[in-house]
Amino acid sequence: GENVEQHPSTLSVQEGDSAVIKCTYSDSASNYFPWYKQELGKRPQLIIDIRSNVGEKKDQRIAVTLNKTAKHFSLHITETQPEDSAVYFCAALRTNSGGYQKVTFGTGTKLQVIP
Amino acid sequence: NAGVTQTPKFRILKIGQSMTLQCAQDMNHNYMYWYRQDPGMGLKLIYYSVGAGITDKGEVPNGYNVSRSTTEDFPLRLELAAPSQTSVYFCASSYGGAREKLFFGSGTQLSVL
Repeated sequence: GENVEQHPSTLSVQEGDSAVIKCTYSDSASNYFPWYKQELGKRPQLIIDIRSNVGEKKDQRIAVTLNKTAKHFSLHITETQPEDSAVYFCAALRTNSGGYQKVTFGTGTKLQVIP
Repeated sequence: NAGVTQTPKFRILKIGQSMTLQCAQDMNHNYMYWYRQDPGMGLKLIYYSVGAGITDKGEVPNGYNVSRSTTEDFPLRLELAAPSQTSVYFCASSYGGAREKLFFGSGTQLSVL
Protein backbone atom coordinates (compact mmCIF):
# COMPACT_ATOMS: atom_id res chain seq x y z
CA GLY A 1 0.00 0.00 0.00
CA GLU A 2 0.87 3.67 0.00
CA ASN A 3 3.54 4.96 2.37
CA VAL A 4 3.88 8.67 3.10
CA GLU A 5 6.96 10.01 4.87
CA GLN A 6 7.04 13.51 6.30
CA HIS A 7 9.95 15.65 7.48
CA PRO A 8 10.81 17.27 9.76
CA SER A 9 8.82 16.03 12.73
CA THR A 10 9.32 19.35 14.54
CA LEU A 11 10.17 22.79 13.20
CA SER A 12 10.77 26.06 15.03
CA VAL A 13 10.97 29.34 13.14
CA GLN A 14 11.05 32.99 14.07
CA GLU A 15 7.95 34.99 13.31
CA GLY A 16 8.20 36.37 9.79
CA ASP A 17 10.50 33.62 8.54
CA SER A 18 9.46 30.91 6.10
CA ALA A 19 8.71 27.29 6.93
CA VAL A 20 9.00 24.30 4.61
CA ILE A 21 7.65 20.82 5.25
CA LYS A 22 8.44 17.95 2.90
CA CYS A 23 6.66 14.69 2.12
CA THR A 24 7.43 11.74 -0.09
CA TYR A 25 5.02 9.08 -1.26
CA SER A 26 5.57 5.60 -2.65
CA ASP A 27 2.61 4.87 -4.91
CA SER A 28 2.85 6.51 -8.31
CA ALA A 29 -0.92 6.05 -8.72
CA SER A 30 -1.62 8.61 -5.99
CA ASN A 31 -3.13 11.66 -7.63
CA TYR A 32 -4.31 14.05 -4.92
CA PHE A 33 -2.20 15.57 -2.17
CA PRO A 34 -3.87 17.58 0.59
CA TRP A 35 -2.35 19.31 3.61
CA TYR A 36 -4.21 19.46 6.91
CA LYS A 37 -3.57 21.73 9.87
CA GLN A 38 -4.38 20.58 13.38
CA GLU A 39 -4.31 23.14 16.17
CA LEU A 40 -3.85 21.89 19.70
CA GLY A 41 -6.90 19.93 20.84
CA LYS A 42 -8.77 20.57 17.60
CA ARG A 43 -9.72 18.51 14.58
CA PRO A 44 -7.57 18.52 11.41
CA GLN A 45 -8.71 20.96 8.74
CA LEU A 46 -7.76 21.19 5.09
CA ILE A 47 -5.60 24.21 4.27
CA ILE A 48 -4.46 23.52 0.72
CA ASP A 49 -4.35 20.70 -1.78
CA ILE A 50 -2.83 19.89 -5.16
CA ARG A 51 -3.65 17.43 -7.90
CA SER A 52 -1.13 15.37 -9.81
CA ASN A 53 -1.59 17.37 -13.02
CA VAL A 54 -0.44 20.58 -11.31
CA GLY A 55 3.10 21.47 -10.25
CA GLU A 56 2.40 24.32 -7.86
CA LYS A 57 -0.52 25.98 -6.12
CA LYS A 58 -0.59 29.08 -3.97
CA ASP A 59 -3.10 30.56 -1.55
CA GLN A 60 -1.92 33.78 0.09
CA ARG A 61 1.00 32.85 2.38
CA ILE A 62 0.70 29.13 1.74
CA ALA A 63 1.98 27.24 -1.29
CA VAL A 64 2.36 23.61 -2.22
CA THR A 65 4.69 22.15 -4.84
CA LEU A 66 4.59 18.68 -6.37
CA ASN A 67 7.32 16.75 -8.16
CA LYS A 68 5.64 13.65 -9.61
CA THR A 69 8.87 12.20 -10.99
CA ALA A 70 10.56 12.27 -7.60
CA LYS A 71 7.29 11.52 -5.79
CA HIS A 72 7.58 14.34 -3.32
CA PHE A 73 5.56 17.38 -2.41
CA SER A 74 6.18 20.27 -0.06
CA LEU A 75 4.29 22.87 1.93
CA HIS A 76 5.71 26.38 2.05
CA ILE A 77 4.50 28.97 4.54
CA THR A 78 5.89 32.48 4.14
CA GLU A 79 5.85 35.35 6.64
CA THR A 80 4.95 32.98 9.44
CA GLN A 81 2.75 34.20 12.27
CA PRO A 82 2.16 32.78 15.78
CA GLU A 83 -1.25 31.50 14.68
CA ASP A 84 0.52 29.24 12.18
CA SER A 85 1.75 27.18 15.14
CA ALA A 86 0.11 23.77 14.81
CA VAL A 87 0.72 20.23 13.59
CA TYR A 88 0.65 19.90 9.81
CA PHE A 89 -0.14 16.63 8.05
CA CYS A 90 0.46 15.80 4.44
CA ALA A 91 -1.56 13.07 2.77
CA ALA A 92 -1.77 11.17 -0.50
CA LEU A 93 -4.91 9.79 -2.10
CA ARG A 94 -5.21 7.12 -4.72
CA THR A 95 -8.18 5.56 -6.41
CA ASN A 96 -7.91 1.78 -6.67
CA SER A 97 -9.09 -0.47 -9.48
CA GLY A 98 -12.54 -0.70 -7.90
CA GLY A 99 -12.92 3.08 -7.98
CA TYR A 100 -12.47 3.37 -4.23
CA GLN A 101 -10.45 6.24 -2.79
CA LYS A 102 -8.01 5.75 0.03
CA VAL A 103 -6.16 8.46 1.94
CA THR A 104 -2.80 7.87 3.66
CA PHE A 105 -1.40 10.48 6.05
CA GLY A 106 2.14 11.41 6.91
CA THR A 107 3.28 11.39 10.54
CA GLY A 108 2.90 15.13 11.03
CA THR A 109 5.15 18.15 11.62
CA LYS A 110 4.80 20.24 14.74
CA LEU A 111 5.48 23.83 13.71
CA GLN A 112 6.27 26.40 16.37
CA VAL A 113 6.44 30.04 15.38
CA ILE A 114 8.39 32.05 17.94
CA PRO A 115 7.22 35.65 18.37
CA ASN B 1 -25.76 21.51 8.77
CA ALA B 2 -23.78 20.01 11.67
CA GLY B 3 -21.05 18.37 9.55
CA VAL B 4 -19.47 15.33 11.22
CA THR B 5 -20.65 14.60 14.75
CA GLN B 6 -18.81 12.22 17.06
CA THR B 7 -19.88 10.96 20.44
CA PRO B 8 -18.74 10.63 23.14
CA LYS B 9 -15.95 13.24 23.46
CA PHE B 10 -14.23 11.41 26.30
CA ARG B 11 -14.44 7.89 27.66
CA ILE B 12 -12.55 5.75 30.13
CA LEU B 13 -12.83 1.98 29.73
CA LYS B 14 -11.57 -0.87 31.80
CA ILE B 15 -9.57 -3.62 30.12
CA GLY B 16 -11.93 -6.11 28.52
CA GLN B 17 -14.91 -3.77 28.28
CA SER B 18 -16.60 -2.98 24.98
CA MET B 19 -18.00 0.22 23.55
CA THR B 20 -19.20 1.83 20.38
CA LEU B 21 -17.97 5.19 19.12
CA GLN B 22 -20.68 6.96 17.19
CA CYS B 23 -20.15 9.00 14.03
CA ALA B 24 -22.79 10.72 11.93
CA GLN B 25 -22.58 13.12 9.00
CA ASP B 26 -25.35 15.15 7.41
CA MET B 27 -23.58 16.14 4.19
CA ASN B 28 -24.68 13.09 2.17
CA HIS B 29 -21.05 12.01 1.85
CA ASN B 30 -20.28 8.63 0.34
CA TYR B 31 -16.96 8.05 2.07
CA MET B 32 -16.48 7.71 5.80
CA TYR B 33 -13.29 6.93 7.69
CA TRP B 34 -12.09 6.09 11.16
CA TYR B 35 -8.62 7.18 12.20
CA ARG B 36 -6.73 6.87 15.44
CA GLN B 37 -4.12 9.37 16.56
CA ASP B 38 -1.66 8.31 19.22
CA PRO B 39 0.13 11.07 21.21
CA GLY B 40 2.61 12.90 19.00
CA MET B 41 1.84 10.63 16.08
CA GLY B 42 0.04 10.81 12.78
CA LEU B 43 -3.35 9.52 11.73
CA LYS B 44 -3.65 5.79 11.21
CA LEU B 45 -6.59 4.48 9.20
CA ILE B 46 -8.63 1.85 11.03
CA TYR B 47 -11.56 1.24 8.66
CA TYR B 48 -13.26 3.05 5.86
CA SER B 49 -16.50 2.84 3.94
CA VAL B 50 -17.35 3.88 0.41
CA GLY B 51 -21.09 3.70 0.89
CA ALA B 52 -23.86 2.01 2.82
CA GLY B 53 -23.15 -1.69 3.17
CA ILE B 54 -19.53 -1.45 2.01
CA THR B 55 -16.60 -1.34 4.42
CA ASP B 56 -12.93 -2.23 4.22
CA LYS B 57 -9.93 -2.49 6.51
CA GLY B 58 -7.33 0.19 6.84
CA GLU B 59 -3.82 -0.03 8.30
CA VAL B 60 -4.73 -0.94 11.91
CA PRO B 61 -8.08 -2.80 11.97
CA ASN B 62 -7.32 -5.40 14.66
CA GLY B 63 -9.55 -5.09 17.71
CA TYR B 64 -12.18 -3.01 15.90
CA ASN B 65 -15.31 -3.56 13.88
CA VAL B 66 -17.49 -1.26 11.83
CA SER B 67 -20.80 -1.26 10.04
CA ARG B 68 -22.44 1.13 7.61
CA SER B 69 -26.16 0.47 7.42
CA THR B 70 -26.99 4.04 6.35
CA THR B 71 -25.20 6.79 4.46
CA GLU B 72 -25.20 8.99 7.57
CA ASP B 73 -23.83 6.68 10.27
CA PHE B 74 -20.54 4.84 10.66
CA PRO B 75 -20.09 3.45 14.19
CA LEU B 76 -16.81 1.96 15.39
CA ARG B 77 -17.02 -0.95 17.79
CA LEU B 78 -14.27 -1.86 20.24
CA GLU B 79 -14.52 -5.37 21.60
CA LEU B 80 -12.42 -6.41 24.59
CA ALA B 81 -10.67 -3.08 25.05
CA ALA B 82 -6.89 -3.15 25.60
CA PRO B 83 -4.48 -0.43 26.84
CA SER B 84 -3.01 -0.30 23.33
CA GLN B 85 -6.31 1.17 22.15
CA THR B 86 -5.82 4.28 24.27
CA SER B 87 -5.85 7.01 21.65
CA VAL B 88 -7.82 9.85 20.13
CA TYR B 89 -10.25 8.63 17.50
CA PHE B 90 -11.35 10.78 14.59
CA CYS B 91 -14.17 10.07 12.24
CA ALA B 92 -14.04 11.77 8.84
CA SER B 93 -16.12 11.90 5.69
CA SER B 94 -15.82 13.05 2.11
CA TYR B 95 -18.05 13.16 -0.92
CA GLY B 96 -15.62 11.25 -3.11
CA GLY B 97 -15.00 11.59 -6.80
CA ALA B 98 -13.36 14.93 -7.50
CA ARG B 99 -14.39 16.24 -4.07
CA GLU B 100 -11.84 14.55 -1.86
CA LYS B 101 -11.70 17.06 1.00
CA LEU B 102 -12.03 15.31 4.35
CA PHE B 103 -14.28 16.75 7.01
CA PHE B 104 -13.31 15.60 10.48
CA GLY B 105 -15.34 15.15 13.61
CA SER B 106 -14.14 16.70 16.87
CA GLY B 107 -12.61 13.45 18.09
CA THR B 108 -13.11 10.99 20.94
CA GLN B 109 -10.41 10.71 23.58
CA LEU B 110 -10.41 7.13 24.83
CA SER B 111 -8.40 5.77 27.72
CA VAL B 112 -8.27 2.06 28.52
CA LEU B 113 -7.05 1.36 32.04
